[in-house]
Amino acid sequence: ETGVTQTPRHLVMGMTNKKSLKCEQHLGHNAMYWYKQSAKKPLELMFVYNFKEQTENNSVPSRFSPECPNSSHLFLHLHTLQPEDSALYLCASSPTGLAGTGELFFGEGSRLTVL
Amino acid sequence: DAKTTQPTSMDCAEGRAANLPCNHSTISGNEYVYWYRQIHSQGPQYIIHGLKNNETNEMASLIITEDRKSSTLILPHATLRDTAVYYCIVRVTSGTYKYIFGTGTRLKVLA
Repeated sequence: ETGVTQTPRHLVMGMTNKKSLKCEQHLGHNAMYWYKQSAKKPLELMFVYNFKEQTENNSVPSRFSPECPNSSHLFLHLHTLQPEDSALYLCASSPTGLAGTGELFFGEGSRLTVL
Repeated sequence: DAKTTQPTSMDCAEGRAANLPCNHSTISGNEYVYWYRQIHSQGPQYIIHGLKNNETNEMASLIITEDRKSSTLILPHATLRDTAVYYCIVRVTSGTYKYIFGTGTRLKVLA
């Protein structure tokens, strides 16, 4: 248990569906991250939020739409996805500045399958 | 792009020390080296981090060369449960911290 909770853990959706992934942390961290991990590939950084503001968009297609309503919650809205978007989506949080060790705390991930 | 390079895979006998190398020749003066591991598609787990000095905690030791261009993660007595993919990361500071993962080293601990 890392303190970062992701739901759902598994999601199957068609290419025309709209769904959302949710991430929640109550660690008091101000930075939150979305990573994508395709089969047998390293983690790819998608988005970074700091104090609810997006600070990084790693050239992610617009069919992925992140939302960060507050420092504790992060969403990834999905629409008109492609089969190649099937992957493990990992959320992480970290303290900013000099607080703590600066380590990333990961959730267990949401495994997405696009049919 | 990741600022680190690691061997693709390594084997280690159970009970022996596992030494995992990492090259980060373009590291900047204020960038930290972090190590994580990932067991079978679970979320990555933090192991240790350092800037210049060698570090040790209950899980591992981190040895950083004087020029900071490479480092080695040492698991002193590897167990079967240490079988995982180990990632060496340089934490980039550009406003917010960015952690860019490379391909990692797949460590297999053999009985």
